[in-house]
Amino acid sequence: DTAVSQTPKYLVTQMGNDKSIKCEQNLGHDTMYWYKQDSKKFLKIMFSYNNKELIINETVPNRFSPKSPDKAHLNLHINSLELGDSAVYFCASSPSGSSYNEQFFGPGTRLTVL
Amino acid sequence: GNSVTQMEGPVTLSEEAFLTINCTYTATGYPSLFWYVQYPGEGLQLLLKATKADDKGSNKGFEATYRKETTSFHLEKGSVQVSDSAVYFCALSRNSGGGADGLTFGKGTHLIIQP
Repeated sequence: DTAVSQTPKYLVTQMGNDKSIKCEQNLGHDTMYWYKQDSKKFLKIMFSYNNKELIINETVPNRFSPKSPDKAHLNLHINSLELGDSAVYFCASSPSGSSYNEQFFGPGTRLTVL
Repeated sequence: GNSVTQMEGPVTLSEEAFLTINCTYTATGYPSLFWYVQYPGEGLQLLLKATKADDKGSNKGFEATYRKETTSFHLEKGSVQVSDSAVYFCALSRNSGGGADGLTFGKGTHLIIQP
């Protein structure tokens, strides 16, 4: 199936640990994003990459580091996890050059920090 | 900066009722506007979009019209079903040409349809 996929779907870990979330899209898009959805369902952009180049880096702690090995993948690595990092993280992608920036979202990764 | 304001709910309706979820926005230039839907336990799905003033987006019986004069993009459906129960997000994107802009989302409206 053509889609945006994320692994893992659920991630439970202890404070202070380092973890990664993987994202892959097979839609042939050039641009990928990470969003954070908090416990009140509010969604906020964290990063965007275009052709493996960082475009947007919102006010996110530098414990969060995105890595794009190729156009189809954008992974999110989080160091020294804190309680406040508990959220659902969504990956998304969009075709570059699109005049209206329609984005396609993955199923989300629910991160719980204990 | 850009912002989106929508009624937060929960909005509870009976099946076959008429639905309106209000959305207004603040943005420079000419943003594109979207409604996304999130069913329980799932990711976001694009419901409909509009890219310029007076455009009407429609899908699955839902409609929204891009009103630049009132900076609004209200979502409507004439007759809701239980299966429409979900969280609905209004969002905008600046059209900077590069296509790498993050979407700015409203806080989401939880819709509950009772049989």
